Amino acid sequence: DQQVKQNSPSLSVQEGRISILNCDYTNSMFDYFLWYKKYPAEGPTFLISISSIKDKNEDGRFTVFLNKSAKHLSLHIVPSQPGDSAVYFCAASASGNTPLVFGKGTRLSVIA
Amino acid sequence: GAVVSQHPSWVICKSGTSVKIECRSLDFQATTMFWYRQFPKQSLMLMATSNEGSKATYEQGVEKDKFLINHASLTLSTLTVTSAHPEDSSFYICSASLVRSGANYGYTFGSGTRLTVV
Repeated sequence: DQQVKQNSPSLSVQEGRISILNCDYTNSMFDYFLWYKKYPAEGPTFLISISSIKDKNEDGRFTVFLNKSAKHLSLHIVPSQPGDSAVYFCAASASGNTPLVFGKGTRLSVIA
Repeated sequence: GAVVSQHPSWVICKSGTSVKIECRSLDFQATTMFWYRQFPKQSLMLMATSNEGSKATYEQGVEKDKFLINHASLTLSTLTVTSAHPEDSSFYICSASLVRSGANYGYTFGSGTRLTVV
């Protein structure tokens, strides 16, 4: 049973446009959500996080939105750049010292 | 910031041999280390949680006798794949959580180990 779902395996966006990556979760105990960027044969690189007490967090070109009632979060990248092309993982955890649960990832391709 | 050093970054071994992967926390104490595995085009799947000085907790379907985890100090956790077989070929990643006073300040990941068993 997948607790974190990324239903779009891939996404193509033109350079300069907005990229929107979506993530849904089922476990209501999750209260901390993160987005990671990953290249092949490398560890995940942290992008941005949000706790359940917020509904939006912004860091430069990256904004994460959290809709707790819908158990949905999204990552917005604007403007998208070719260097953003990678696999993006949504992850969630419950309070305290608990492991992250990852979605299957979405491969973003930003086309120049 | 908090860094976890993982090595080797890649290893090729013969079927039936054992491989040890090390993760060291460089500038903090990692009381808990999480070990993940990622198969191609799949998610990072939690294999086990190791706490310093105690036995690791394994996820369902992960053989504890095959994947030996040792967390003898606050800065070192190791994963040994024993009697490796080609189906163990995968990308293994460790992660430490940054917890202070019960609050989670995030996670830091090792750079991963690509294991190929031939």
